[in-house]
Amino acid sequence: NAGVTQTPKFRVLKTGQSMTLLCAQDMNHEYMYWYRQDPGMGLRLIHYSVGEGTTAKGEVPDGYNVSRLKKQNFLLGLESAAPSQTSVYFCASLTGGRTEAFFGQGTRLTVV
Amino acid sequence: DQQVKQNSPSLSVQEGRISILNCDYTNSMFDYFLWYKKYPAEGPTFLISISSIKDKNEDGRFTVFLNKSAKHLSLHIVPSQPGDSAVYFCAANEDYGQNFVFGPGTRLSVLP
Repeated sequence: NAGVTQTPKFRVLKTGQSMTLLCAQDMNHEYMYWYRQDPGMGLRLIHYSVGEGTTAKGEVPDGYNVSRLKKQNFLLGLESAAPSQTSVYFCASLTGGRTEAFFGQGTRLTVV
Repeated sequence: DQQVKQNSPSLSVQEGRISILNCDYTNSMFDYFLWYKKYPAEGPTFLISISSIKDKNEDGRFTVFLNKSAKHLSLHIVPSQPGDSAVYFCAANEDYGQNFVFGPGTRLSVLP
């Protein structure tokens, strides 16, 4: 019973490098989300998806892209990493409506 | 401007006593609220929720109170246990919307 799994757990990037964070859920959830957590800021929504093939911008989308080609996977891409993108990234999924979200364990990304 | 505020960054409570965590919101359209608990190096996990049609919801040691006129909710933990030491996030949702807005979190320390 894996739930929501994020890959990788840790990563260090140099400024300008690119990378993709993978989120996989095995609960057949429709909705998936990418958040970033910064000190004193709570969880801020980057992008989200309400179903396979759909994506939408959240509160802080700049510098990120996403794709949801398969229902169970939600990818977050950084095309050209910047130090301001140093953060802990969380993926979440939920069935929809008034239900709680299930979160992955997080990815700690450092951009130097 | 933050729509969901948790004005106490940290709180310390003695084991066995009551912990009260507070959350204020500014968007009067929010009508569903959740509390999540987060341990270090883990993703947030759902704790308890409340709809705006209620003013109280209980689940074991955890009770959430909602005061709609004051745009305020609180989480009560009675009795507090050392295992409750974590960061607690308040989140709000609007009219079955697809997104949840999170507060910055309160770090609770329960002292033995």
